[in-house]
Amino acid sequence: KNEVEQSPQNLTAQEGEFITINCSYSVGISALHWLQQHPGGGIVSLFMLSSGKKKHGRLIATINIQEKHSSLHITASHPRDSAVYICAAETSGSRLTFGEGTQLTVNP
Amino acid sequence: NAGVMQNPRHLVRRRGQEARLRCSPMKGHSHVYWYRQLPEEGLKFMVYLQKENIIDESGMPKERFSAEFPKEGPSILRIQQVVRGDSAAYFCASSRRVSGGAGTDTQYFGPGTRLTVL
Repeated sequence: KNEVEQSPQNLTAQEGEFITINCSYSVGISALHWLQQHPGGGIVSLFMLSSGKKKHGRLIATINIQEKHSSLHITASHPRDSAVYICAAETSGSRLTFGEGTQLTVNP
Repeated sequence: NAGVMQNPRHLVRRRGQEARLRCSPMKGHSHVYWYRQLPEEGLKFMVYLQKENIIDESGMPKERFSAEFPKEGPSILRIQQVVRGDSAAYFCASSRRVSGGAGTDTQYFGPGTRLTVL
């Protein structure tokens, strides 16, 4: 069993739909990261959170420390949101352990 | 403020040659992390460095791989005697201080170096 698991692996949505990507982890963490990897391969850090909820534009990230679970939500999805979304657990010493990623495709 | 710079963006080597990958962190960042993404696989941690120190190299293969972050200049990931299995995208990230904990700070990723071993 991977230390960080994401679901679903693949997600196809229609433009405008509300999207949720889930992440469960089994290790103790100091922070939980959400990253976006573009089709060209570049990686952008979306959120880093250790408790509660963060919002940036149409993106919302939540974390439940007791349940070791985090979610990434995208409201009013758009084709430009199509990318791989990666959850990463940061353990002591700043080491990141990554999930396998969720491939999101948003169709117009 | 320029982002994290990596060069070269693409590197082709023949088996047995050496590969040197460079990473210049964002201005003011003294913490550097290297990650590897094998084809069709997820990202994996390799090494975490601060200026002149290797903090955590637990993700680095024991042989042929080394990393440094000198007082002056970029961080270097060096792969000696490359093999086909080293073909991957190598990403560098930097932060101002240790991520997580009370002094949290996010990691900013470079564009990656795509290494192809023929």
